[in-house]
Amino acid sequence: AQSVTQLDSQVPVFEEAPVELRCNYSSSVSVYLFWYVQYPNQGLQLLLKYLSGSTLVESINGFEAEFNKSQTSFHLRKPSVHISDTAEYFCAVSYGDYKLSFGAGTTVTVRA
Amino acid sequence: EAGVAQSPRYKIIEKRQSVAFWCNPISGHATLYWYQQILGQGPKLLIQFQNNGVVDDSQLPKDRFSAERLKGVDSTLKIQPAKLEDSAVYLCASRSAGEQFFGPGTRLTVL
Repeated sequence: AQSVTQLDSQVPVFEEAPVELRCNYSSSVSVYLFWYVQYPNQGLQLLLKYLSGSTLVESINGFEAEFNKSQTSFHLRKPSVHISDTAEYFCAVSYGDYKLSFGAGTTVTVRA
Repeated sequence: EAGVAQSPRYKIIEKRQSVAFWCNPISGHATLYWYQQILGQGPKLLIQFQNNGVVDDSQLPKDRFSAERLKGVDSTLKIQPAKLEDSAVYLCASRSAGEQFFGPGTRLTVL
């Protein structure tokens, strides 16, 4: 069965500090990987995705994630967070058919 | 480009009542999904449509849940009768190429 594990349910972090959100998935020969962000009272928005090619993918607002096939991981990082990054972050995996299996989410709270 | 629209945004009902949610996907998107997101969990796929046909409804509790997309555009998800454990946010998404676009969701509270 497909499964996605987000290892941290809550991550408090100070403004301008780095953050890493961990995501592991059950192994498969071919995967597509996604990170979605959900701001308070809003819908899910795609943050970044890995479909093929370079294993390091970046978003326009400073987040990056690296696909590690041997460790079946897709951890999300940002070197310096802002208050506006406070949100819930979901890792999701698709096994080639574009149907998404989501992790339970990680709540990031950025404090001044 | 307009996003995925959903209504209502909030709904409170008593158990055993019926409820319906509506979704209007992004224009031109043939694939539409309904997800259930219970508090503290990630979204779980309920049903997937391709145009007006069902592709996957293996996770839909068919004894009480139903969904349709009659003209291949708008979709309706219905629960009849509702149970307490149906309290959740119901998300609609439509897909273009490799990306799903999500609506704001309908928050259902069953008392």
